[in-house]
Amino acid sequence: GENVEQHPSTLSVQEGDSAVIKCTYSDSASNYFPWYKQELGKRPQLIIDIRSNVGEKKDQRIAVTLNKTAKHFSLHITETQPEDSAVYFCAAGPPHNFNKFYFGSGTKLNVKP
Amino acid sequence: NAGVTQTPKFQVLKTGQSMTLQCAQDMNHEYMSWYRQDPGMGLRLIHYSVGAGITDQGEVPNGYNVSRSTTEDFPLRLLSAAPSQTSVYFCASSYGRDRNTEAFFGQGTRLTVV
Repeated sequence: GENVEQHPSTLSVQEGDSAVIKCTYSDSASNYFPWYKQELGKRPQLIIDIRSNVGEKKDQRIAVTLNKTAKHFSLHITETQPEDSAVYFCAAGPPHNFNKFYFGSGTKLNVKP
Repeated sequence: NAGVTQTPKFQVLKTGQSMTLQCAQDMNHEYMSWYRQDPGMGLRLIHYSVGAGITDQGEVPNGYNVSRSTTEDFPLRLLSAAPSQTSVYFCASSYGRDRNTEAFFGQGTRLTVV
């Protein structure tokens, strides 16, 4: 099955700095890569996703890049704000068994004001 | 729309007891899943369903049963609770159909087995 690894496990940045979270996956057939944000005690919520036919996607301060050859994808948050503090999860989805997602272990992001 | 609703929010069980975690969605989603979340391990898929009457196992299915008699409901049953099943459980639903789509999560059930 698919194996998704996520780094770092914790990340502390100063407000206004950029944050980068990286994930690798093992199944070259995976074709959908969502990122979820989970605030303390809350449910995970989708913040951005990318499909394998696209190399980069941006939504305001958040961007995701995908390198299919190397089987890794990254989340980039620019101009971080204290409200960005949360746990972020990457995931990979297979092409034939839709919505059967494999999640990374999570990154706890702390944005210091 | 209420989205995905899970009950209960908190539960304490004794070892060997059984119980059912409830999950309901009102978005007419075909796909529903159960995940467990443990510290440092992310979300792991327990069971999933691609439509009413169809279920399959995920990564960690042992000790859990599911059924999908309607599109809206997807209950998770713990047959004989064990301390290793102490976790936060999330139900999720997604539109699915012909490609992967966003998963919408319930608010979670925090289960403690003593």
